[in-house]
Amino acid sequence: RKEVEQDPGPFNVPEGATVAFNCTYSNSASQSFFWYRQDCRKEPKLLMSVYSSGNEDGRFTAQLNRASQYISLLIRDSKLSDSATYLCVAHNQAGTALIFGKGTTLSVSS
Amino acid sequence: DAGVIQSPRHEVTEMGQEVTLRCKPISGHDYLFWYRQTMMRGLELLIYFNNNVPIDDSGMPEDRFSAKMPNASFSTLKIQPSEPRDSAVYFCASSTPTGDQPQHFGDGTRLSIL
Repeated sequence: RKEVEQDPGPFNVPEGATVAFNCTYSNSASQSFFWYRQDCRKEPKLLMSVYSSGNEDGRFTAQLNRASQYISLLIRDSKLSDSATYLCVAHNQAGTALIFGKGTTLSVSS
Repeated sequence: DAGVIQSPRHEVTEMGQEVTLRCKPISGHDYLFWYRQTMMRGLELLIYFNNNVPIDDSGMPEDRFSAKMPNASFSTLKIQPSEPRDSAVYFCASSTPTGDQPQHFGDGTRLSIL
């Protein structure tokens, strides 16, 4: 089992749609979780941290389910500018480093 | 604020040549990470340093790859000899001393080995 797994997509949605991504992680003791966004031919940039109680930042909501070892990202009212690859991050099995998933590609169309 | 600075932005060279990638982390960040990104394998952690000391190099693919951090503001990733399968985007990232904080990435080096 890969340490951090994501559905690669692509997710193709119209503007205004709500879309959700899930990510599973293998280290049950992982304490830190993040969602990053990566635009084509650019570096990954932090989108938001994921807290145990769940957190929201505008149209974006991140949630953590420790029992099932997955984190999710919900995007409401999708914009064209949301088109990107979304990477989830959790600790590796050894707990020594943060590991990135391969990313989920989102394409929002008008 | 200056972010993570990588050089060169692009490198094209012939197989067998030595390649050196450079990184300057954000000032005050004690953790530095080197990643490689390809379509097939995604973003792979190669090695990371804490206070200039290599902590985990288990991601370094083979002996042709080496990384150093001679001081807090500079790191290199070297490939010698280079091979076409090393072609990828190489990112450097740094984070604050706690180590669990989000990482800030440089713009990356696009490496093509012919």
